[in-house]
Amino acid sequence: DTAVSQTPKYLVTQMGNDKSIKCEQNLGHDTMYWYKQDSKKFLKIMFSYNNKELIINETVPNRFSPKSPDKAHLNLHINSLELGDSAVYFCASSPSPSQPQHFGDGTRLSIL
Amino acid sequence: DAKTTQPTSMDCAEGRAANLPCNHSTISGNEYVYWYRQIHSQGPQYIIHGLKNNETNEMASLIITEDRKSSTLILPHATLRDTAVYYCIVLTGNQFYFGTGTSLTVIP
Repeated sequence: DTAVSQTPKYLVTQMGNDKSIKCEQNLGHDTMYWYKQDSKKFLKIMFSYNNKELIINETVPNRFSPKSPDKAHLNLHINSLELGDSAVYFCASSPSPSQPQHFGDGTRLSIL
Repeated sequence: DAKTTQPTSMDCAEGRAANLPCNHSTISGNEYVYWYRQIHSQGPQYIIHGLKNNETNEMASLIITEDRKSSTLILPHATLRDTAVYYCIVLTGNQFYFGTGTSLTVIP
């Protein structure tokens, strides 16, 4: 049973398109996160939700919009995709904001 | 920004202990030290965390110096599957700032 699952695993699309990445966790955690890992393997937090409320919103372009329909889901919608958005996006969850996080296997986004 | 400094890479012979150092000289009194690892193409995996005391679990041991300015992650008997990038992180304001980590290669 996958604890944190992301779909799709791979996403190849054209510049200017809009796309969404979905994340679901079955651990009963209250907090969920989105991270971006660029080509240099630097992992950086983008957003965090606790009980469906946004608690962390790092300096991320407005084209990125997270949505949390319930505590088990945190989706990431990206408008007007740019070449620089190519990266691996990781979803994670934790029981609370200060506790160990469980990560998904990532979504590899490639912009053509 | 990451508050930790780690060596870029290390090698370890299979079956030997792997000792991964981390400096966090600006750590505050109530900030925890966390260790994660990332095996190629996978999501980061939690290993262990601690505040002041040494900690041990089924994966590793964490040794934190008395002044808390540095710590060492110990994998007691490294296997080839332990080859990964290991991140030492200071939890700051409920945020994990991942640095560049240490790339550990376990050699047969």
